[in-house]
Amino acid sequence: LAKTTQPISMDSYEGQEVNITCSHNNIATNDYITWYQQFPSQGPRFIIQGYKTKVTNEVASLFIPADRKSSTLSLPRVSLSDTAVYYCLVGSGTGGFKTIFGAGTRLFVKA
Amino acid sequence: DGGITQSPKYLFRKEGQNVTLSCEQNLNHDAMYWYRQDPGQGLRLIYYSQIVNDFQKGDIAEGYSVSREKKESFPLTVTSAQKNPTAFYLCASSIAATGDAYEQYFGPGTRLTVT
Repeated sequence: LAKTTQPISMDSYEGQEVNITCSHNNIATNDYITWYQQFPSQGPRFIIQGYKTKVTNEVASLFIPADRKSSTLSLPRVSLSDTAVYYCLVGSGTGGFKTIFGAGTRLFVKA
Repeated sequence: DGGITQSPKYLFRKEGQNVTLSCEQNLNHDAMYWYRQDPGQGLRLIYYSQIVNDFQKGDIAEGYSVSREKKESFPLTVTSAQKNPTAFYLCASSIAATGDAYEQYFGPGTRLTVT
């Protein structure tokens, strides 16, 4: 499974756009990129998933360059409730049932 | 209302005792997982099961055991052989994909404290 590298922590202010970048240099052809959000003492929650280019849903956008060696999760106009840990995962369903959650990125949103 | 339930939310045990954590899902998912999370750390995979009556060790399976007799249930037993059992335990499930990526749905977790 491809290893991912993310910043340990980030700070932001309410109303700002936050971009969290994940590096995955050895991503495989079949791998998808998935982001999860986790609040303290809760299980992670799926945010968004993509394979290439750009994916957008009601919560976030995911930007993936052509070489797919990195990806950027974009959270528009964050609020205090977006303070959480964000995990970037890379893998596929084919033999990829083992999921690796790294330490993630701790996002602190300030008023 | 579909989802994953874990019980209990908090569990206290004395050292040397085995303890079983419950995980049930009504999402009709084939795959189920158990993770352990220590304070300030990411999740580490203990065991996973792709189908009933089959399960595989994850990265930190020593001192743990599981069973998958029913599709809906994937209980985890923390045995006395687990040297540092105090942790937050998370159960998850996903559709068994064949080539496509998959989304894992997590339960609320069980916080186990062993003294």
